[in-house]
Amino acid sequence: AQKITQTQPGMFVQEKEAVTLDCTYDTSDPSYGLFWYKQPSSGEMIFLIYQGSYDQQNATEGRYSLNFQKARKSANLVISASQLGDSAMYFCAMRGNTGTASKLTFGTGTRLQVTL
Amino acid sequence: EADIYQTPRYLVIGTGKKITLECSQTMGHDKMYWYQQDPGMELHLIHYSYGVNSTEKGDLSSESTVSRIRTEHFPLTLESARPSHTSQYLCASSSGTYNEQFFGPGTRLTVL
Repeated sequence: AQKITQTQPGMFVQEKEAVTLDCTYDTSDPSYGLFWYKQPSSGEMIFLIYQGSYDQQNATEGRYSLNFQKARKSANLVISASQLGDSAMYFCAMRGNTGTASKLTFGTGTRLQVTL
Repeated sequence: EADIYQTPRYLVIGTGKKITLECSQTMGHDKMYWYQQDPGMELHLIHYSYGVNSTEKGDLSSESTVSRIRTEHFPLTLESARPSHTSQYLCASSSGTYNEQFFGPGTRLTVL
């Protein structure tokens, strides 16, 4: 079974500062993928970034980077230069390699509030 | 930009009614998914599909049913809605190297 743990129910960050959202995972699959999604108050889920378990380098997408520490089973999201529009729920998710449907297991999310 | 659509966006309905939540994608993705999400909580997979004529139940038990007659269409049906079905329902599809899932805007269902 796969499990995603997000221990920060809420975070505050000042505009233009960097923030790290924590995510730890547990899986018995030797190969897996880790995802981060953003969910604004409007409800849609927006894909942000992906890290494969065999990727040698940490993933980056613009202001988003993923701090992947495989031995610690952590996949923290770093948002640099926070903007007011970054205020949202952020979900960490994992895809295992069992089966063909690529199901995702989600964490409970972290609500990020960016302040002036 | 992902092209996945859900209708209706909001639905308020009485107990006992039959409802169908629509989900369509124009990306030709083979895999599609339905998630249920209570406000401020995590997403739970309730149904998924590998492709046409393939449907499976997800990790969270649900009284809803799904069908996949066409690649682009994956509707979810509740035969008799109850207040416990009140939630947000999110549809997603995936394909490609990482199988990242693209989500629709969601349907917020309220059963009175």
